[in-house]
Amino acid sequence: AQSVTQLGSHVSVSEGALVLLRCNYSSSVPPYLFWYVQYPNQGLQLLLKYTTGATLVKGINGFEAEFKKSETSFHLTKPSAHMSDAAEYFCAVSEGTGGGNKLTFGTGTQLKVEL
Amino acid sequence: ETGVTQTPRHLVMGMTNKKSLKCEQHLGHNAMYWYKQSAKKPLELMFVYNFKEQTENNSVPSRFSPECPNSSHLFLHLHTLQPEDSALYLCASSQGHSLVQEAFFGQGTRLTVV
Repeated sequence: AQSVTQLGSHVSVSEGALVLLRCNYSSSVPPYLFWYVQYPNQGLQLLLKYTTGATLVKGINGFEAEFKKSETSFHLTKPSAHMSDAAEYFCAVSEGTGGGNKLTFGTGTQLKVEL
Repeated sequence: ETGVTQTPRHLVMGMTNKKSLKCEQHLGHNAMYWYKQSAKKPLELMFVYNFKEQTENNSVPSRFSPECPNSSHLFLHLHTLQPEDSALYLCASSQGHSLVQEAFFGQGTRLTVV
């Protein structure tokens, strides 16, 4: 079974500072990895995904993540935080179910951006 | 707007009530999902449907009963729920078997069981 670990349930940064949200995964097969963001009272929105190819993946809103197989990591970064980035972020890994696509999520990291 | 619409957005129900959650997707996807999001717990996959057929039931209690009449609609029928069933219920859809295809989520139904 696959699993995802997000280190740090809460991360606080200053506006303009680097954002780093950590994600480690466990998978017996080459993983497909996703980052989602959830704003208050909203569903999840895809930020970016890694499938194959280039290990540095760029997403929306200036976020990017790097797949490192040797470290089983897929950390999310943004060079300069903005107040609008305050939200909860979820890392996920996918596996097939025989039909459809099963996502296994981490417990989430709440990002707070301070002035 | 993700193309996945859930109604109602909020629902308060007693333990003896029967209610239904509705999900509709306008993306032409083949697979639909119910997830449960509780405080301080990872999102839990409840059910998966692919081409209207249920392909996964993740040990969900029988007081939750899904229905998928077609590839665009998904329901979750609720009866005799418990207070611990209070959570955000998220519907999602994706383009079927392909693992590279991301899931698109609705805004969720905030359920409170009293």
